[in-house]
Amino acid sequence: DQQVKQNSPSLSVQEGRISILNCDYTNSMFDYFLWYKKYPAEGPTFLISISSIKDKNEDGRFTVFLNKSAKHLSLHIVPSQPGDSAVYFCAASDSGGSNYKLTFGKGTLLTVNP
Amino acid sequence: DTGVSQNPRHKITKRGQNVTFRCDPISEHNRLYWYRQTLGQGPEFLTYFQNEAQLEKSRLLSDRFSAERPKGSFSTLEIQRTEQGDSAMYLCASSFGQGSYTFGSGTRLTVV
Repeated sequence: DQQVKQNSPSLSVQEGRISILNCDYTNSMFDYFLWYKKYPAEGPTFLISISSIKDKNEDGRFTVFLNKSAKHLSLHIVPSQPGDSAVYFCAASDSGGSNYKLTFGKGTLLTVNP
Repeated sequence: DTGVSQNPRHKITKRGQNVTFRCDPISEHNRLYWYRQTLGQGPEFLTYFQNEAQLEKSRLLSDRFSAERPKGSFSTLEIQRTEQGDSAMYLCASSFGQGSYTFGSGTRLTVV
């Protein structure tokens, strides 16, 4: 079963506008969440993370919001730039497991149009 | 150190052949992970090493797959008797403690 779900396979936005990528999870043991960006023919690159003790984390143009009661997180990119066009993966881990393995969603392809 | 290095970048092999991939992690990272990504899917966990000890293997890792990390440095992933279903991107990542992984660029395997 898919424990991390990204229900939007793709998203298209105009340059300068906000991009909002969504992610839902089902495993209550997950307490650490990450977003990765992936360009074709490259490995995923870490973008931003959030611990379950927080509900928001911000890094420049990127903000991640966590709603634990809804088991939902979102990544906001403001303003969006054409170079942000990539596949974005949501990932989650259970720090109590000590191996810190990540469970990934299927990804959302973001296209930012000039 | 410039990051996680994986070799080869691409491998085409005939069904039934054996293949081996190599991963060189960031030197100070004690944790090393192998993931597999197929088209339209996110990366899926295969196995995990802490230093030289292989501490967890996914059920995805059949007995045709074996991974090693001698001396806690580089790692190899071997697939014996390859099948067409093994075609995928094999990703290696390393980390130090809990935190973000650093992924390599992956090895794309095509079994024909």
